Amino acid sequence: AQKVTQAQTEISVVEKEDVTLDCVYETRDTTYYLFWYKQPPSGELVFLIRRNSFDEQNEISGRYSWNFQKSTSSFNFTITASQVVDSAVYFCALSEDTGRRALTFGSGTRLQVQP
Amino acid sequence: NAGVTQTPKFQVLKTGQSMTLQCAQDMNHEYMSWYRQDPGMGLRLIHYSVGAGITDQGEVPNGYNVSRSTTEDFPLRLLSAAPSQTSVYFCASSRKTPGSGNTIYFGEGSWLTVV
Repeated sequence: AQKVTQAQTEISVVEKEDVTLDCVYETRDTTYYLFWYKQPPSGELVFLIRRNSFDEQNEISGRYSWNFQKSTSSFNFTITASQVVDSAVYFCALSEDTGRRALTFGSGTRLQVQP
Repeated sequence: NAGVTQTPKFQVLKTGQSMTLQCAQDMNHEYMSWYRQDPGMGLRLIHYSVGAGITDQGEVPNGYNVSRSTTEDFPLRLLSAAPSQTSVYFCASSRKTPGSGNTIYFGEGSWLTVV
């Protein structure tokens, strides 16, 4: 069975601080996909990134960066120079390659960025 | 530019009432699914469909029915609402192309309260 663990329930930082959100996953599949979604206070789910299991390259998109390490089954998300608009709940999720194309979500990390 | 459209956005039901949450997508996606989001638990899969005429159960299917008569629509039915079904419901869709880990797109969510 697949499982995604986000051990950090809530993180509070002051604007301009860097913050890393942890994600640890479990799967027996050799091919799988990892996602990060942002859920702002308005409630919608905003897609941030998808990474497949064969691509361990780290990715940077503006202030966002992701570190994928298969050896530790982790897919961590770092926000550099955080801003108040980054305040949201962030979900890490895992998808199998075939079958349901469904996501197994972590429980989410609530990030509060104080001005 | 509609993407995944869910209606209604908010609904209050009395225990025992029935209702249908509507979901439509205009991206010609084969895969569609319903999730529920409860506090501290992330999103959990209720039902999913891999194409018109094909549906199957997810992680928490009890109390819900689905059908998929067209590619575009995937309604979720609550036959006899219970307070335990108070939750936020998300519909999602993605393409079927295997091995590509296609992005899963979510609707804006439907807030359901059962009193």
